[in-house]
Amino acid sequence: GAVVSQHPSWVICKSGTSVKIECRSLDFQATTMFWYRQFPKQSLMLMATSNEGSKATYEQGVEKDKFLINHASLTLSTLTVTSAHPEDSSFYICSARAPQTTDTQYFGPGTRLTVL
Amino acid sequence: SQKIEQNSEALNIQEGKTATLTCNYTNYSPAYLQWYRQDPGRGPVFLLLIRENEKEKRKERLKVTFDTTLKQSLFHITASQPADSATYLCALGQAGTALIFGKGTTLSVSS
Repeated sequence: GAVVSQHPSWVICKSGTSVKIECRSLDFQATTMFWYRQFPKQSLMLMATSNEGSKATYEQGVEKDKFLINHASLTLSTLTVTSAHPEDSSFYICSARAPQTTDTQYFGPGTRLTVL
Repeated sequence: SQKIEQNSEALNIQEGKTATLTCNYTNYSPAYLQWYRQDPGRGPVFLLLIRENEKEKRKERLKVTFDTTLKQSLFHITASQPADSATYLCALGQAGTALIFGKGTTLSVSS
């Protein structure tokens, strides 16, 4: 089956630093990847949609200069949280969609970000 | 704006019973509805997809119904086991768009 990995699985950083999270589709090519954020006991909130080779589309209220998304290849998308602050602490999850399965999204295991 | 409600935050049942979870939505016309399982600290795992023109879908001990008139989906787990304990997420989608998720229902199955 389709497998999506994320790295790192957890990260702790100091306020003001930048953190990069990688999302990889391991056994399929993902033309579209999505980035979600999830706070405790809350639903997954879509942050942005990333298409390979083009700029990401951000949801309303998500700062594109703070959350930099790069989808440089069909198997890799990265999310960089710039100048992180404690309120950015959350669970970040990516998902990927293969070209032939427009309805199904395969999720990564998530990355727990803690900003001190 | 679209809204998805999952009937309760938590559901506790005895092993062997059928768990029934509810997902209601408003201000949206999904082309399909999906159910995911999420364990603590992990990403969601896809379980079932049901399209707007389908009434019912089954997969092993899982059954999903979809009523577009009531704007509701029911998710059943028969012969529940402690290993079924997890949070179950309902998600709505249209072709080519990202999924919209509910908050989830945390199911606890006691032996």
